[in-house]
Amino acid sequence: QQQVKQSPQSLIVQKGGIPIINCAYENTAFDYFPWYQQFPGKGPALLIAIRPDVSEKKEGRFTISFNKSAKQFSLHIMDSQPGDSATYFCAAAGMDSSYKLIFGSGTRLLVRP
Amino acid sequence: DTAVSQTPKYLVTQMGNDKSIKCEQNLGHDTMYWYKQDSKKFLKIMFSYNNKELIINETVPNRFSPKSPDKAHLNLHINSLELGDSAVYFCASRQQGNTEAFFGQGTRLTVV
Repeated sequence: QQQVKQSPQSLIVQKGGIPIINCAYENTAFDYFPWYQQFPGKGPALLIAIRPDVSEKKEGRFTISFNKSAKQFSLHIMDSQPGDSATYFCAAAGMDSSYKLIFGSGTRLLVRP
Repeated sequence: DTAVSQTPKYLVTQMGNDKSIKCEQNLGHDTMYWYKQDSKKFLKIMFSYNNKELIINETVPNRFSPKSPDKAHLNLHINSLELGDSAVYFCASRQQGNTEAFFGQGTRLTVV
C-alpha cells in the first residue's frame, strides 16, 4: 500500500530527446506527487510536483502527467540537455501521514551530447 | 547560507562504535526528517519531528535515536554501528501547511 514503483531504472537519450520516467502508486490517500532530481554527492532537490486535481503540470522543460484513475504519473523532460544527467526520483505523500515522502527506486538518466 | 546543513559530510568508523550526525535548518521550518539512502540509491524515511516532537518512527532499529533540541535542529545518534548501517543519511525539513521538503547534502557513513 505504501509502495511507489518507478521505471525505467536507467535511461540514455541524445541531447534534445524527451526522456519519460513513469511511476505508479497504490495508496489512494496520497495527495502530493513530487519529482526530485539528485546529482552525485548532493541531496535530492525538488524539481516539480503535482496534486491529483490536475492531469498535467508544466514548469519550463519539465512536465508531469497524472492519471488518477490508473494511479500513475510520469515525468517528461523536453529538449533534454547533458546538464539534465542525474538520478530522478518520483515520490508520493499524503496529509494522513504527515507528508512523509515515499520514494520510487530512482531512474539514472544520461543525456549524451 | 545553506538552508539545511548536515555535519559531518563524511564519516568513517569501526563496527561497534557510537556516532552522531547533526542537522540544522535556517528556513524556520517546524518539521524535520531523517532519510536513509542505501547503496542502491533507495531513499527511505526513518524519522520525523514536528516542533521537537517525534511524529514518525519507521521500523528502524532502536540503536538509532533521533534528538531534537529545538525545532531548527535534528540530530541522529547511532549506537553499536553495524556494517549494514553504511549508507548516506539525509536530513530534510518542511513547514507544516506546505508540502515542499528541502534536503541537506547528506552524510556518507561508512562502517568498516
